Amino acid sequence: SQKIEQNSEALNIQEGKTATLTCNYTNYSPAYLQWYRQDPGRGPVFLLLIRENEKEKRKERLKVTFDTTLKQSLFHITASQPADSATYLCALDLTGGGNKLTFGTGTQLKVEL
Amino acid sequence: DVKVTQSSRYLVKRTGEKVFLECVQDMDHENMFWYRQDPGLGLRLIYFSYDVKMKEKGDIPEGYSVSREKKERFSLILESASTNQTSMYLCASSLFAGQGEQYFGPGTRLTVT
Repeated sequence: SQKIEQNSEALNIQEGKTATLTCNYTNYSPAYLQWYRQDPGRGPVFLLLIRENEKEKRKERLKVTFDTTLKQSLFHITASQPADSATYLCALDLTGGGNKLTFGTGTQLKVEL
Repeated sequence: DVKVTQSSRYLVKRTGEKVFLECVQDMDHENMFWYRQDPGLGLRLIYFSYDVKMKEKGDIPEGYSVSREKKERFSLILESASTNQTSMYLCASSLFAGQGEQYFGPGTRLTVT
């Protein structure tokens, strides 16, 4: 079955380092992929969308790559700060119908001083 | 900024009760979604709507129904609440269906006893 995989283990990194989170998907090749941030007890917040014809996209300290051959997206936070600590979710349309997203279970990031 | 509001942050109901969860968005978005989020399972789509009075089943519609009588309002109904419906319920809206970013409400933590 089609699914999305994110590392379920929390990622702990030191302030100032680059955090790299992975999103892998199987079978279907989506036209785009999205990343969201979720803080405890709150709804997810949209961060970035990358399309299949875009290898890389940046927004301030965030960078997303999209490798449709590997069926993988990498999400990078450079110069990480304790305020970046949150759970990060990737989401994509696995149906091809273009009308709904499937979310990964998310990876928790903790940035330590 | 898009604002998505949900009627309650916390709700406690008894088994067998009929439960209404309300969601309102203020940005004239066509599309609205209801998810539930459980530890280890991530966000799962219950129902979505792409227009007034239109609805489509998501991945886990059993035990739920929805209503969209006005563009800005999308209601989730639990006809007869059961303990396995204890969860965090999140509403979202988007301008474009699949590839548009989704804006989430704060969530309703529902406990069914």
